[in-house]
Amino acid sequence: GESVGLHLPTLSVQEGDNSIINCAYSNSASDYFIWYKQESGKGPQFIIDIRSNMDKRQGQRVTVLLNKTVKHLSLQIAATQPGDSAVYFCAENRGTYKYIFGTGTRLKVLA
Amino acid sequence: EAQVTQNPRYLITVTGKKLTVTCSQNMNHEYMSWYRQDPGLGLRQIYYSMNVEVTDKGDVPEGYKVSRKEKRNFPLILESPSPNQTSLYFCASSSTGGAQYFGPGTRLLVL
Repeated sequence: GESVGLHLPTLSVQEGDNSIINCAYSNSASDYFIWYKQESGKGPQFIIDIRSNMDKRQGQRVTVLLNKTVKHLSLQIAATQPGDSAVYFCAENRGTYKYIFGTGTRLKVLA
Repeated sequence: EAQVTQNPRYLITVTGKKLTVTCSQNMNHEYMSWYRQDPGLGLRQIYYSMNVEVTDKGDVPEGYKVSRKEKRNFPLILESPSPNQTSLYFCASSSTGGAQYFGPGTRLLVL
């Protein structure tokens, strides 16, 4: 079936640099997107979300960008810290209560 | 403390022996959902519930049952577990069906 995909399975970033995690989605009818962070041995944790009527949304050190034209979503983390090391998932909602998750990108922060 | 709890956290069972994984949330959320997480496949939605007595299938419902008799509880039932149901299971809840709070996970091994 359709799935939300990610371009890179692993991303290594130097501490203090900015990180960009990408996500491609396939269903143009999707209207709500969420980014989650999953640390080892824990359940996913909400980071930030965005609706399809927005192009950009900012949180604390994180920004999500949505490009509906090319069906692309990205998560930007400013000044990446060791505590940011985790697997990041994007999730897509298609107007119902069903969610499709991507396979995840592992972010490694290098000291 | 706002949380989603799951029990048991770890379970080893044999093929065909019925089991139930409990999920409870203390946030008065209307929406609850079950996911399984497998390497390389990310999170896949099994079932979800929009409110008491209202449930619907996710992407991978085969071999699972759920019930929602109370707002806070959403148990996952495996009537006849098989080895392909060996996985890491997460329960989640949300007030609106948007950003979800996830439980700590239940690791199931079916022999």
